[in-house]
Amino acid sequence: IAGITQAPTSQILAAGRRMTLRCTQDMRHNAMYWYRQDLGLGLRLIHYSNTAGTTGKGEVPDGYSVSRANTDDFPLTLASAVPSQTSVYFCASSEGRDPDTQYFGPGTRLTVL
Amino acid sequence: GQNIDQPTEMTATEGAIVQINCTYQTSGFNGLFWYQQHAGEAPTFLSYNVLDGLEEKGRFSSFLSRSKGYSYLLLKELQMKDSASYLCAVRDSDYKLSFGAGTTVTVRA
Repeated sequence: IAGITQAPTSQILAAGRRMTLRCTQDMRHNAMYWYRQDLGLGLRLIHYSNTAGTTGKGEVPDGYSVSRANTDDFPLTLASAVPSQTSVYFCASSEGRDPDTQYFGPGTRLTVL
Repeated sequence: GQNIDQPTEMTATEGAIVQINCTYQTSGFNGLFWYQQHAGEAPTFLSYNVLDGLEEKGRFSSFLSRSKGYSYLLLKELQMKDSASYLCAVRDSDYKLSFGAGTTVTVRA
């Protein structure tokens, strides 16, 4: 059982470039989430999806977009990367029913220069 | 919104007990989670409390008092592998998690 996979593991990106972070889960979870983790700030929710076909904005959505075409995949796109988007990005998923524990992927370390 | 506070760092000796406190202020409460995160790795689920009281899972226990906006994670019989960051997360009425900044626990021999 793979759980949640993310790609790439790490990436260095020039400012202004477009980048898509991939996330795939094989647990048939209804809900999926994208977080960024920065030193001293903890995990912050960027976007979420309660079920395939729906998405919502989290705490820090600006500069990011998501789509949820099917249950398994939840890509995160940076349309025009800026240095402040340098962070570690974690994808997570949950069943969508109590206790609705979230399980995290291994993360993508993104550096924008 | 949520305001979640936990200490930044704690140090303890192998075999000892450490208690990590978490206080929160929330506009709607729907459960509290503790996660463990080793350096460079993903957070992994440790415990979940939605009702007041103590939940015990082996060497780890978690306590919740909703009236006080307070939780703690108790780590007993500390092992070197317990050196990690411990994240307190509060779920709101929209079922979204807000995380504290995390407490880094260092276990010394």
